[in-house]
Amino acid sequence: GNSVTQMEGPVTLSEEAFLTINCTYTATGYPSLFWYVQYPGEGLQLLLKATKADDKGSNKGFEATYRKETTSFHLEKGSVQVSDSAVYFCALLLYSSASKIIFGSGTRLSIRP
Amino acid sequence: DTGVSQDPRHKITKRGQNVTFRCDPISEHNRLYWYRQTLGQGPEFLTYFQNEAQLEKSRLLSDRFSAERPKGSFSTLEIQRTEQGDSAMYLCASSLGGQDQETQYFGPGTRLLVL
Repeated sequence: GNSVTQMEGPVTLSEEAFLTINCTYTATGYPSLFWYVQYPGEGLQLLLKATKADDKGSNKGFEATYRKETTSFHLEKGSVQVSDSAVYFCALLLYSSASKIIFGSGTRLSIRP
Repeated sequence: DTGVSQDPRHKITKRGQNVTFRCDPISEHNRLYWYRQTLGQGPEFLTYFQNEAQLEKSRLLSDRFSAERPKGSFSTLEIQRTEQGDSAMYLCASSLGGQDQETQYFGPGTRLLVL
């Protein structure tokens, strides 16, 4: 079946540290891949996406590259800020009549000043 | 603000009561989705509408759950005879649909607590 596995949290880093959150997927076709972010008390927001192999999604200093050969979509940021503290969800979508999103379980990120 | 809106934001009810949630999607979006998110987990798909037609339902959606989108705009999700296990965040999302317009935009959610 289709599924997403992401690294378990919580992840705690100091401000300006380098961030990697690992994400791998299993899919029967060629999915689009997403990272969504959920800030405390807020709804899910799309952070970035990639729709085909080798595409790089980027937003707010975050990047993720669609790696078909390793079925991965790891999230990276070179220098995190306290305001990046949130829960991050990796997700996939297989285009079909429904196109429902399959989410990973989320990784809670806390940044220390 | 023309994002997805949901009402109410919070609902506390007693076991056995019925509850109804509303979702207003982004106005030009013809696809509408309902998801459920429990604590510490990612959202799980419940059901999906293309305009007013409900095209897919998850096995998670028991007979106590019903969703409608009568005019292809707003949608309602009703839970009858609520159980404590129904306590969760109920999320609505909408999209334009089509292979290049599949990005789903989420509302703030309705948090349900069943006592």
